[in-house]
Amino acid sequence: NAGVTQTPKFQVLKTGQSMTLQCAQDMNHNSMYWYRQDPGMGLRLIYYSASEGTTDKGEVPNGYNVSRLNKREFSLRLESAAPSQTSVYFCASSMSQGSYGYTFGSGTRLTVV
Amino acid sequence: AQSVTQLGSHVSVSEGALVLLRCNYSSSVPPYLFWYVQYPNQGLQLLLKYTSAATLVKGINGFEAEFKKSETSFHLTKPSAHMSDAAEYFCAVTIIQGAQKLVFGQGTRLTINP
Repeated sequence: NAGVTQTPKFQVLKTGQSMTLQCAQDMNHNSMYWYRQDPGMGLRLIYYSASEGTTDKGEVPNGYNVSRLNKREFSLRLESAAPSQTSVYFCASSMSQGSYGYTFGSGTRLTVV
Repeated sequence: AQSVTQLGSHVSVSEGALVLLRCNYSSSVPPYLFWYVQYPNQGLQLLLKYTSAATLVKGINGFEAEFKKSETSFHLTKPSAHMSDAAEYFCAVTIIQGAQKLVFGQGTRLTINP
């Protein structure tokens, strides 16, 4: 099925460990995004990639890095996980400009202990 | 910069009653506005969107929203709530300048009472 695929769906990390969240879309979208969702705070943008080869910081980029590997894939890396990064992470994609809105993945639930 | 405020983090209605979820936005340029729904342990699904055409927008599952520029509002309504409407709802705004970045409200959790 067409859409946005995120892996893994669940992950538990110890403080200080690193990991990469993977995201791939097969809709030929130009733009891709990483959000985190925390109770009572909605979704906050971590990083985005307006097009292949570009990445920019969002609202809450500290502690994260991203790589736009190609047009389909956009990964999020936590170099040294902290308990404050316990959250649900969503990847999304969209056409570069226009009124299309986003297509979201099903999320990665990350717990840092 | 644009922003969104959703009034009420929790809304509870009886089955068959009117659903009204409030959203106010702030934007220096004409916005595009969206409502998303999130069912438990799932991602976000687009309910409807306003893209500067008709101010009354109809979406899926019987929901609709009206864009009111004078009130900077985009409230979501449904005439008769169903148990399956229980979910979290997010209002979001974007402007079409540069990268299309959606800014989300805090979310409203809708509970339906039998």
